Amino acid sequence: SQQGEEDPQALSIQEGENATMNCSYKTSINNLQWYRQNSGRGLVHLILIRSNEREKHSGRLRVTLDTSKKSSSLLITASRAADTASYFCATDARPRMDSSYKLIFGSGTRLLVRP
Amino acid sequence: ETGVTQTPRHLVMGMTNKKSLKCEQHLGHNAMYWYKQSAKKPLELMFVYNFKEQTENNSVPSRFSPECPNSSHLFLHLHTLQPEDSALYLCASSQTTTGVWRTQYFGPGTRLTVL
Repeated sequence: SQQGEEDPQALSIQEGENATMNCSYKTSINNLQWYRQNSGRGLVHLILIRSNEREKHSGRLRVTLDTSKKSSSLLITASRAADTASYFCATDARPRMDSSYKLIFGSGTRLLVRP
Repeated sequence: ETGVTQTPRHLVMGMTNKKSLKCEQHLGHNAMYWYKQSAKKPLELMFVYNFKEQTENNSVPSRFSPECPNSSHLFLHLHTLQPEDSALYLCASSQTTTGVWRTQYFGPGTRLTVL
């Protein structure tokens, strides 16, 4: 497995429901970030959580970080059709002990919110 | 999304053509990145520039040649590409390449098709 794996790969929910996406990683991190990408477009930064933080909120977004389990979750509450997009976690980490820190993106979760 | 612009948005080229992708950031950042995004694959970091100096080349074939004349502009020169190079090419910028300043802002991408 690679650094930053999202789960599930795809998620389909009804508008108004909550959407939860998970991210697992392997190495120690400085911070973890979540990005959103609409189809065929660039990524948009949503939220950053530092390694010494456990939870962070931004509007309808709630991010948790468990460094002991090397995992994070992104919760979108009261989802809307406009939330349909791919969501990526990115870990600020060193891929190898002899490399520098960099932002490493996962494969993403494709979220479909049905009207 | 207007903080980072990319041109062209779509490009179709033959394997013998030479073309260039352009990226410009209006955010006053010092670091710029090129990524390749292929279907069903994680985002692949290609090149990193910090204060106009290339700090990372992620084993990218020489048919891709980056150029960073200043901190606001980044080019990707393409020549003798292969059909498997068809992908969405994303440019990003960040304040610098360290810590939370590594948070990246993406352009809309160039959809490249190699015939």
